[in-house]
Amino acid sequence: AQSVTQLGSHVSVSEGALVLLRCNYSSSVPPYLFWYVQYPNQGLQLLLKYTTGATLVKGINGFEAEFKKSETSFHLTKPSAHMSDAAEYFCAVSLTGFQKLVFGTGTRLLVSP
Amino acid sequence: NAGVTQTPKFQVLKTGQSMTLQCAQDMNHEYMSWYRQDPGMGLRLIHYSVGAGITDQGEVPNGYNVSRSTTEDFPLRLLSAAPSQTSVYFCASSYSTDRDRADYGYTFGSGTRLTVV
Repeated sequence: AQSVTQLGSHVSVSEGALVLLRCNYSSSVPPYLFWYVQYPNQGLQLLLKYTTGATLVKGINGFEAEFKKSETSFHLTKPSAHMSDAAEYFCAVSLTGFQKLVFGTGTRLLVSP
Repeated sequence: NAGVTQTPKFQVLKTGQSMTLQCAQDMNHEYMSWYRQDPGMGLRLIHYSVGAGITDQGEVPNGYNVSRSTTEDFPLRLLSAAPSQTSVYFCASSYSTDRDRADYGYTFGSGTRLTVV
């Protein structure tokens, strides 16, 4: 069964520092890959998604993710953190598309002044 | 265009009560799903539908029923509420599974926070 591992339930950075949130998936074929962000007491908002042929995916709010097939990873990065980036981030994967989207357990990003 | 609308936003039930969580989308999406979110566990798929009249079970279907009589609506029914069903429930919909489409992806509702006492 496919699975998603997000390393670190909490990540703390200073404002202006690099943000790196890790996501590894278990799959023998390139899956559908997504990053979602959830602000407190809100629903999930799509940050970015993996599409065929692209290894570096750009999303909203300055985030991007690199698809590395050899490492089965899809880590999320942002060059410079803002206070407004404080939220919970979820990596999600599916082999078949929509029907069975499997989420990681989430990483809470804390940004300090 | 309202997207995915979930009602109610908050609900408190007593153990053994039944209720229906409503989900409606106005984007003519074929695919709809229900997830529950619990602390430290991410989101887990309860049930999903690939079109009107077609539903299937996800990872955690026990204690829940669904039906899809129209494209727009996908209600989730709790048959006999238990404290273990205290959670935040999200409905999601999608038009296409073709990841090369510009509109590929899932739209989530704002959630229903359910407490069973």
